[in-house]
Amino acid sequence: EIVMTQSPATLSVSPGERATLSCRASQSVSSNLAWYQQKPGQAPRLLIYGASTRATGIPARFSGSGSGTEFTLTISSLQSEDFAVYYCQQHNNWPLTFGQGTKVEIK
Amino acid sequence: EVQLLESGGDLVQPGGSLRLSCAASGFTFSSYAMSWVRQAPGKGLEWVSLIYSGGSTTYYADSVKGRFTISRDNSKNTLYLQMNSLRADDTAEYYCAKVTGSGYYTWDYWGQGTLVTVSS
Repeated sequence: EIVMTQSPATLSVSPGERATLSCRASQSVSSNLAWYQQKPGQAPRLLIYGASTRATGIPARFSGSGSGTEFTLTISSLQSEDFAVYYCQQHNNWPLTFGQGTKVEIK
Repeated sequence: EVQLLESGGDLVQPGGSLRLSCAASGFTFSSYAMSWVRQAPGKGLEWVSLIYSGGSTTYYADSVKGRFTISRDNSKNTLYLQMNSLRADDTAEYYCAKVTGSGYYTWDYWGQGTLVTVSS
């Protein structure tokens, strides 16, 4: 099983600032990495798949990069609606696995 | 508009069984793989199972293999999860999710979830 490790666990950011979230895979997942956003009481929302492809309707301030074992989600200028928990997920190998999440909170 | 509506969640005793359903609308259900993903209270996301569009190929997480069975009825646009030998650590919100497609095993639409509680 591929273990996905996200860092940091919590990220405190002021509105308008840039946020950088990291995700590391225990072995290469090529570019098969997705990012999800989840707000309290809501289902997750797909942001990025294939490491860097934005899902339908996702604002351009969200961008993904990386390949192999190291990946990054960047939110260029945090808006109030972006404070949430973010999960990475590898879609290269079975079983499909998620990271433990990074909580982005208001500083 | 894509809609996924789960049902069937309940309080069940350890060792019991439950069947979850997910009614899909707003897309060609028979053309897409579907999944169940769960989230224990206050915890992260865990993929549970996936079924291909035709229903002949399925995958399971090791934690549920041999106890859970995913299935679908394309004539009814409905996804199912039969859960047997339930344990306390199966307690979670269970989400039905549509696979993105085009070879990407990610989920672009999710239901709102149905809560399964396993407790005596």
